[in-house]
Amino acid sequence: GQQVMQIPQYQHVQEGEDFTTYCNSSTTLSNIQWYKQRPGGHPVFLIQLVKSGEVKKQKRLTFQFGEAKKNSSLHITATQTTDVGTYFCAGRAGANNLFFGTGTRLTVIP
Amino acid sequence: NAGVTQTPKFRVLKTGQSMTLLCAQDMNHEYMYWYRQDPGMGLRLIHYSVGEGTTAKGEVPDGYNVSRLKKQNFLLGLESAAPSQTSVYFCASSYEGLAGGAVTQYFGPGTRLTVL
Repeated sequence: GQQVMQIPQYQHVQEGEDFTTYCNSSTTLSNIQWYKQRPGGHPVFLIQLVKSGEVKKQKRLTFQFGEAKKNSSLHITATQTTDVGTYFCAGRAGANNLFFGTGTRLTVIP
Repeated sequence: NAGVTQTPKFRVLKTGQSMTLLCAQDMNHEYMYWYRQDPGMGLRLIHYSVGEGTTAKGEVPDGYNVSRLKKQNFLLGLESAAPSQTSVYFCASSYEGLAGGAVTQYFGPGTRLTVL
């Protein structure tokens, strides 16, 4: 079955350092979404990538979709304490349902 | 707009007991979903609905049943709870189904269920 793997599982950074989480799929994806879940909260949609090689930016967040549409990354520049939470990617292949990655829990040390 | 709401927020059950989780959305979304979230496993789709009166199985449907009698409500039932069903349950809704174009899923606040 379809699998979406995400690394690392945990990441601790000093405030101001950069952070990257990677998402890899066993199959080619039609699109990929990214969600953020604050501690004790619920997932909140951040962005969707559809095109091969697509790059999108949201302020300090940069999202990339691989050329083969099997991997994606989220990069945060100069992390802040407000970035704390778990970041999930969620991929879809064709008309199938979304498969969520296992998430990367980000801790930012002030 | 309240968005997506879930009741109850917390529940403790004994093995074998039954219960129903209620999800309600006021965004007139056609599609609704139930996920469970377990540590280190992300979110897994249990069941989903593409419209009033319809339901379909997701990735981990065993031990659960659902109903969508009204467009705004999606119920998740556990007929005979087991400790393996201890989890956080999230409901979500969206305008279009996953086969459509850009689809944002809006999540409810979650229900924390413990089965003893």
